[in-house]
Amino acid sequence: GIQVEQSPPDLILQEGANSTLRCNFSDSVNNLQWFHQNPWGQLINLFYIPSGTKQNGRLSATTVATERYSLLYISSSQTTDSGVYFCAVFNKAAGNKLTFGGGTRVLVKP
Amino acid sequence: EAQVTQNPRYLITVTGKKLTVTCSQNMNHEYMSWYRQDPGLGLRQIYYSMNVEVTDKGDVPEGYKVSRKEKRNFPLILESPSPNQTSLYFCASSLAGTVNQPQHFGDGTRLSIL
Repeated sequence: GIQVEQSPPDLILQEGANSTLRCNFSDSVNNLQWFHQNPWGQLINLFYIPSGTKQNGRLSATTVATERYSLLYISSSQTTDSGVYFCAVFNKAAGNKLTFGGGTRVLVKP
Repeated sequence: EAQVTQNPRYLITVTGKKLTVTCSQNMNHEYMSWYRQDPGLGLRQIYYSMNVEVTDKGDVPEGYKVSRKEKRNFPLILESPSPNQTSLYFCASSLAGTVNQPQHFGDGTRLSIL
C-alpha cells in the first residue's frame, strides 16, 4: 500500500518562530489532508489540499502532487500550535480510506 | 452545532465483556469511519461506511464489528474485547459517500481493556 512519511518527527520552537513540516508519499494520491491533534487529543482538519497552495491565518499548505510531497508552514508560532500534525492521503486504487503519516510532534515554548 | 459525537469518552473494562462505542453525526454525512490510534503506529482505519447498510473493512478490522442502520449513527462493537484493543478510538465523517472529502473527527474514546 501507499507509504506516508512525515518529517521531522519532533520539533521544538520558540514562540514567534516559523517552521515547515513535510509529508512525502510513495504513490499518486487523489487528495491530501492535514490535521492538528491538540494536547487534549482532538483532531482538527486544517487543510484539504490535493494540489496547490492554501492559507488559513498563520498556517499555509502546499501540495506538489507530481513530486509526491506536501508542506505545512507555521508562521509566527504560538503556544496553542503545540500538538501533533498529521498528513493523510487518499489513493483511490487503495480503497475508500485515508492513510496517515506518523505525525510531527510540535512543542512551542513561550 | 455541526459535530461528530462519540460515547463514552473513556472506558475501563475487562477482557471478554462486550462493549459498544457509539458515534453520531448531525451533518447528514454519508461517509463514516472508525480509526484507532496507537503510539508508534499512528492512526489506522478499522471500518468505514459509504452510506446506510454499506460497510467495508479498513486496515485493522479484526475483533471489531460495525453497523450502519441509520445515516447518522455508526457504532463500533467489540464482541469480546482483549487487551490489545486498548487504544484511542476516533470516529470520522464526511459529506459525500467517499473519503475524498474533508474529514470531521469526533473527540475520541479512550478504551482500556484489562
